[in-house]
Amino acid sequence: GQSLEQPSEVTAVEGAIVQINCTYQTSGFYGLSWYQQHDGGAPTFLSYNGLDGLEETGRFSSFLSRSDSYGYLLLLELQMKDSASYFCAVKKGGANNLFFGTGTRLTVIP
Amino acid sequence: DADVTQTPRNRITKTGKRIMLECSQTKGHDRMYWYRQDPGLGLRLIYYSFDVKDINKGEISDGYSVSRQAQAKFSLSLESAIPNQTALYFCATSDPDTYGYTFGSGTRLTVV
Repeated sequence: GQSLEQPSEVTAVEGAIVQINCTYQTSGFYGLSWYQQHDGGAPTFLSYNGLDGLEETGRFSSFLSRSDSYGYLLLLELQMKDSASYFCAVKKGGANNLFFGTGTRLTVIP
Repeated sequence: DADVTQTPRNRITKTGKRIMLECSQTKGHDRMYWYRQDPGLGLRLIYYSFDVKDINKGEISDGYSVSRQAQAKFSLSLESAIPNQTALYFCATSDPDTYGYTFGSGTRLTVV
């Protein structure tokens, strides 16, 4: 099996930086992905880390440390539209099956 | 047109009824997935398919079946619906290069 832990809720101020952490326990770990989901919407792909280190995509960055079984999503210059749920998900083996955490609800306040 | 289309968007059905949720994709990807989302539980994998002839059970396949009619079509059936199958169901495809999933808009199913 596998388990993923991420905070259930985070609140941050518009314009600030927020980091959402994810720790995982799983066999056959291959990589860590992040998804954003607005209320009533579908999850959308943000990033994938297969190797240790930081991946940057615009205002979003994602980090992975395989030795610590830990990753995080970093959101810069927060905007109100970033209010959403963020899910980390582990990719196992070569099957590209994703197993999702329970999500972190980010609320951005003025 | 959306890359991944699910029908219906919403459905209310009675306990014991058979129901099919349909999914089609225009991404041209081989791999397709069905997930279920419940509040507080994230998304859980029901079934996945690597191609038309390759179908596999996920974490929570009991009570569900699937059919991969073509590369672009992957349907999920509840043979005899029960109330605890009330959930939001998502179909997805995966990009073999980026490993990113593209999800459909979801089907909100209520079993009464």
